[in-house]
Amino acid sequence: GQQVMQIPQYQHVQEGEDFTTYCNSSTTLSNIQWYKQRPGGHPVFLIQLVKSGEVKKQKRLTFQFGEAKKNSSLHITATQTTDVGTYFCAGDRGSTLGRLYFGRGTQLTVWP
Amino acid sequence: NAGVMQNPRHLVRRRGQEARLRCSPMKGHSHVYWYRQLPEEGLKFMVYLQKENIIDESGMPKERFSAEFPKEGPSILRIQQVVRGDSAAYFCASSQDASGNEQFFGPGTRLTVL
Repeated sequence: GQQVMQIPQYQHVQEGEDFTTYCNSSTTLSNIQWYKQRPGGHPVFLIQLVKSGEVKKQKRLTFQFGEAKKNSSLHITATQTTDVGTYFCAGDRGSTLGRLYFGRGTQLTVWP
Repeated sequence: NAGVMQNPRHLVRRRGQEARLRCSPMKGHSHVYWYRQLPEEGLKFMVYLQKENIIDESGMPKERFSAEFPKEGPSILRIQQVVRGDSAAYFCASSQDASGNEQFFGPGTRLTVL
């Protein structure tokens, strides 16, 4: 079954509005990663969060990892048209297998 | 430093033919992952390989699909007797180590089955 749930599936915003996508895991994660995929492109790594309650910022992007290490969020302040794409979270369960469990992604559309 | 290479970028096959997708990981990476992505959908994990070994193939269909990562040469995802439902983008990613490391994705192979 689905290991990592991500909502919403789609989000349409006006340029300048904020955007948030949420990720929830059924199990505790050792770390969580976020990726962005532009239309027609391939996923590109954005960031990794490891510590409980960790918050990291990249310009207008703020990433959070929950205290229980089961949920995470990505918040974009004042969206721009260049933010268009699909944002995926990917959880690492810390097993020796090493695979990531990807959420379904949130497809962001930004209207100018 | 070249990134992850995939070829071909686009592949058209008729039903019943075989599709071979190739992936060369980043230099120094020995872990390779294959994903399938349908239009408007997320990434579906298929298989995780380390040099000459399949570590996790839990996401790969039992029939018609196989993957390998030989000691020399690229990783190959092979789909035999393709059907229309196999049409998708297939992405390969590589990482330096196993758990906890970011994955670098290739540009993908867009497979179309006529």
